[in-house]
Amino acid sequence: DVKVTQSSRYLVKRTGEKVFLECVQDMDHENMFWYRQDPGLGLRLIYFSYDVKMKEKGDIPEGYSVSREKKERFSLILESASTNQTSMYLCASSLSGPIYEQYFGPGTRLTVT
Amino acid sequence: DAKTTQPNSMESNEEEPVHLPCNHSTISGTDYIHWYRQLPSQGPEYVIHGLTSNVNNRMASLAIAEDRKSSTLILHRATLRDAAVYYCILRDYNAGNNRKLIWGLGTSLGVNP
Repeated sequence: DVKVTQSSRYLVKRTGEKVFLECVQDMDHENMFWYRQDPGLGLRLIYFSYDVKMKEKGDIPEGYSVSREKKERFSLILESASTNQTSMYLCASSLSGPIYEQYFGPGTRLTVT
Repeated sequence: DAKTTQPNSMESNEEEPVHLPCNHSTISGTDYIHWYRQLPSQGPEYVIHGLTSNVNNRMASLAIAEDRKSSTLILHRATLRDAAVYYCILRDYNAGNNRKLIWGLGTSLGVNP
């Protein structure tokens, strides 16, 4: 059974803190993605990675960075959390190619106070 | 990027068929049509995809118009578990473009017992 796991379901952090969100997949997928989901805005791509140490900016990369040191792990980093980064964060992975589906984790609900 | 248009919400009754429409009038010849759904408090999950011909799998059927400017996701017998937000997404299979999915707001499907 394919699996994408995220380190936390719920997280509460203070403004200015450095936040790490971890994602692990066990399917040997090349591609990994970080999205955020907000009411009325849908899913928006923050960053994606198509290989170890390779990354590309998505549609809303400002305020975020990522790290992919191993194929199975993709981390999202909020260098200095702000209240407007309160959101649901979703990680996904896929094989390369347009016919391959993305598999999503359960999401992390981050609240920045 | 080609866009899709879906109704905001639909209602159905349990054990009846459901037809979820999607318009994509600016679709290009290299766009696949993908459907995902998101159950409450979960990450999205893949449902089905197609290019030109109608497609069936264990979850649903995808009917694609001859001019490809619209498609319909068909759930043959709705169950309460099918209550979710359904996303219709175009995915370009051109090299360099095919990793990204452009997510709209989807159709929220309610299923009445």
